[in-house]
Amino acid sequence: ETGVTQTPRHLVMGMTNKKSLKCEQHLGHNAMYWYKQSAKKPLELMFVYNFKEQTENNSVPSRFSPECPNSSHLFLHLHTLQPEDSALYLCASSQEKGSVFNQPQHFGDGTRLSIL
Amino acid sequence: ILNVEQSPQSLHVQEGDSTNFTCSFPSSNFYALHWYRWETAKSPEALFVMTLNGDEKKKGQISATLNTKEGYSYLYIKGSQPEDSATYLCAFPSENTDKLIFGTGTRLQVFP
Repeated sequence: ETGVTQTPRHLVMGMTNKKSLKCEQHLGHNAMYWYKQSAKKPLELMFVYNFKEQTENNSVPSRFSPECPNSSHLFLHLHTLQPEDSALYLCASSQEKGSVFNQPQHFGDGTRLSIL
Repeated sequence: ILNVEQSPQSLHVQEGDSTNFTCSFPSSNFYALHWYRWETAKSPEALFVMTLNGDEKKKGQISATLNTKEGYSYLYIKGSQPEDSATYLCAFPSENTDKLIFGTGTRLQVFP
């Protein structure tokens, strides 16, 4: 199933570069999420959007800037990242806010980000 | 701070063996418990969302049980196959938010 698509799959960038990660879901969901997984750490929520509005920012540094132009698309704009930001970034979607209490989240394959 | 713990961290079994692993979570203010299966280089795939104490869910040879009073869930795989090799994650919603708190997972490797 390719309900949630993320591009690119891999990204290598320097600390002064600006790049964006893209996520698109074809499931008709209204909530979208960005997660980060660093080596040997659990998946960590970064942002939640519900009907295009940001509902959660898990104390993420401002060098990560999310954008949700509509319920199907989610971006993560990256600027002046640090080496410790190298990680796997996963996008997910669910029906709507509050659905974590009875519905699963649907994940993309992730973007593997390396900061030089 | 909510904490979700999974054990063991990793497991190696032979094809045909049955196996099980544990997810522990805070027993107060229970809302739901998620299980996901994550194969290398693929996306995490939802297995179960469990909401009721005593719940037992099954998907093929994989089943899960839930004890909300003592704060644990077991995932069982009957007759493991090499294609069951993956990391199995559990997650617990943080109160009144959309935040899922994930465990670090149990990495299962099934050898032919």
